[in-house]
Amino acid sequence: DAGITQSPRHKVTETGTPVTLRCHQTENHRYMYWYRQDPGHGLRLIHYSYGVKDTDKGEVSDGYSVSRSKTEDFLLTLESATSSQTSVYFCAISEWASGGDTGELFFGEGSRLTVL
Amino acid sequence: GENVEQHPSTLSVQEGDSAVIKCTYSDSASNYFPWYKQELGKRPQLIIDIRSNVGEKKDQRIAVTLNKTAKHFSLHITETQPEDSAVYFCAASTNSGYALNFGKGTSLLVTP
Repeated sequence: DAGITQSPRHKVTETGTPVTLRCHQTENHRYMYWYRQDPGHGLRLIHYSYGVKDTDKGEVSDGYSVSRSKTEDFLLTLESATSSQTSVYFCAISEWASGGDTGELFFGEGSRLTVL
Repeated sequence: GENVEQHPSTLSVQEGDSAVIKCTYSDSASNYFPWYKQELGKRPQLIIDIRSNVGEKKDQRIAVTLNKTAKHFSLHITETQPEDSAVYFCAASTNSGYALNFGKGTSLLVTP
């Protein structure tokens, strides 16, 4: 398995509180991603990064922000958590494939967030 | 954003039978189409992928076909085994080329 760890793995919080999830990699991969997984919706892209300080929005970015100040860490922040953000969050990393396109995504073990 | 539609959402087959999962995508710029398998409580893991310059790819009991004109691709599992039971996700690269959009998943159950 790729060297990718997520923290915390489980968190219960209350509506309106800020939450930060951390993704740490030891592979020196350029690309990092945050997805959320919900029943009936599959995996939906929140934000991704294609380099230090280079990030872009995915299809469900509202209510989330990200930061990548160094290659190995990609942080996902919920400024004011809502019950609709209860989900399992997966971080993933990837490296260049031939031709410059994204290659295989390696996923972390997931972080289960419950917002009460 | 780009849409990836996946069917069926659930599939039940008997051991030894074949299973086929189909996906369609909307963005003609997509050029990378992987399939991921997720066992219960585990992380998704890549099982096979195909790029737009290839029409078919096979790896032992699994194969993927791609029809770029029709914008659809399929996963074929032959001689299914109980350990193939899992959720399978198709995905297509975004128009930026940097990320993937996933289908909603197919829950495959292989009964002995």
